[in-house]
Amino acid sequence: AQTVTQSQPEMSVQEAETVTLSCTYDTSESDYYLFWYKQPPSRQMILVIRQEAYKQQNATENRFSVNFQKAAKSFSLKISDSQLGDAAMYFCAYRSVIYNQGGKLIFGQGTELSVKP
Amino acid sequence: EPEVTQTPSHQVTQMGQEVILRCVPISNHLYFYWYRQILGQKVEFLVSFYNNEISEKSEIFDDQFSVERPDGSNFTLKIRSTKLEDSAMYFCASREQVNQPQHFGDGTRLSIL
Repeated sequence: AQTVTQSQPEMSVQEAETVTLSCTYDTSESDYYLFWYKQPPSRQMILVIRQEAYKQQNATENRFSVNFQKAAKSFSLKISDSQLGDAAMYFCAYRSVIYNQGGKLIFGQGTELSVKP
Repeated sequence: EPEVTQTPSHQVTQMGQEVILRCVPISNHLYFYWYRQILGQKVEFLVSFYNNEISEKSEIFDDQFSVERPDGSNFTLKIRSTKLEDSAMYFCASREQVNQPQHFGDGTRLSIL
């Protein structure tokens, strides 16, 4: 079974600085999707960025980018020019591409990011 | 932008009572999901639903739980006899195609007394 591990329960960053959140996963599959979701205090789940495992190029979305290391099964999220609104819980998630697995997301434990003004 | 809508936002129920959580997925989406998040813990998969049937369910999704898509737009999660440990945030999500990401609703906070 696949697992997702986020080893940093809490992280802190100064406004305008850069922070990297770590995520590792375990799978025997060669193709899959990886995601980062943001959960602000309102507890919505907001998609930040996604990566297809077959793509070597790291995904980027404005100030958010990932460092995808397939061999190491590592998927870190870099937030540049951090803003106060980035403060939230961040979840890393895995999804298999095998159809009969229904496409469920497997989440890590989350990293609580605080942004200091 | 289309959204997944969940009602109610907060539900308080006595232990042993039945509760129905409602979701309206995005209209052209084909895959539907329920997840739960106990306070302070990670988000856990409950069940996935496609083509009017359950495609996968977790160990959490026992006989007390059921899902239904009664009218082609709503997607409901029913808990037959609630327990204290069912207190959690319940998220509905939907997805258009196999290679598209899931979109989440704002969640229903279920409190069992």
